[in-house]
Amino acid sequence: AQSVAQPEDQVNVAEGNPLTVKCTYSVSGNPYLFWYVQYPNRGLQFLLKYITGDNLVKGSYGFEDEFNKSQTSFHLKKPSALVSDSALYFCAVRDMKFDGAGSYQLTFGKGTKLSVIP
Amino acid sequence: AAGVIQSPRHLIKEKRETATLKCYPIPRHDTVYWYQQGPGQDPQFLISFYEKMQSDKGSIPDRFSAQQFSDYHSELNMSSLELGDSALYFCASSDGGRVAYEQYFGPGTRLTVT
Repeated sequence: AQSVAQPEDQVNVAEGNPLTVKCTYSVSGNPYLFWYVQYPNRGLQFLLKYITGDNLVKGSYGFEDEFNKSQTSFHLKKPSALVSDSALYFCAVRDMKFDGAGSYQLTFGKGTKLSVIP
Repeated sequence: AAGVIQSPRHLIKEKRETATLKCYPIPRHDTVYWYQQGPGQDPQFLISFYEKMQSDKGSIPDRFSAQQFSDYHSELNMSSLELGDSALYFCASSDGGRVAYEQYFGPGTRLTVT
C-alpha cells in the first residue's frame, strides 16, 4: 500500500527566509503526489502536484516542490516565507489501484504545522 | 471561480440521531469524494462516486451511506450517531474524465455529537 510520511509536526521559520516542509513517500510504481494547505476552520486548498516529468514543480502562491526519486522525497519549498503562509500542510499520495478515468483515494500524511515568525 | 459547496457548515446532533450532509461539486465535475477529519488528525477517505455510481470505498462505517444524484450533488447519511463521529467532514470533487486530475475540497461540515 502507498503511504506518505511527514517527519516534522511543526516547522518554524522567520519571515523572508526560505521554508521547507518535508514529505517522503512509499509507493509501488510511479507516484502521483500532492500538497494541500489547511487554514484554521477552513477546507483543504490544493497547492501543487507531481505526476511525472520535471523534478521541480511550481504551484500556487509561490510554492514549489522538489521531487527526488532516489530519496523518495517530495519536499515543499518557498524561497521567501510570508506570515500568511502560517497554516497546516498535508502531503498526499494517490492510490495506484486505478490509473485512468474515475475516482481515486488520497492518503494523507499527518500534517506539518508551519509558523512564520514576523 | 466556483468552489465546492457543503451544507450545513455546522451541525450538532445527539447520540443515536441521524444526520445528512450535502455536497455540491464544482460545475462540470463528475466525481465526488467524502473524507472525515477527526480533531488533530489527517483526513481519512470514506467513499467516492464517479458518474453517479459508487466508485471506491474506504473506512466508512456501515451506519453511514451516501449517494450521488443526477445533478452530481452528493449526500452523506449518518445514522445511530456516536460520540466518535464528531469530526470535520469534507467533500471534494474532480473531473474524473481527465488523467492526472486533482481533488478540490469544500470548506467542510463540522459535526458535533453530544
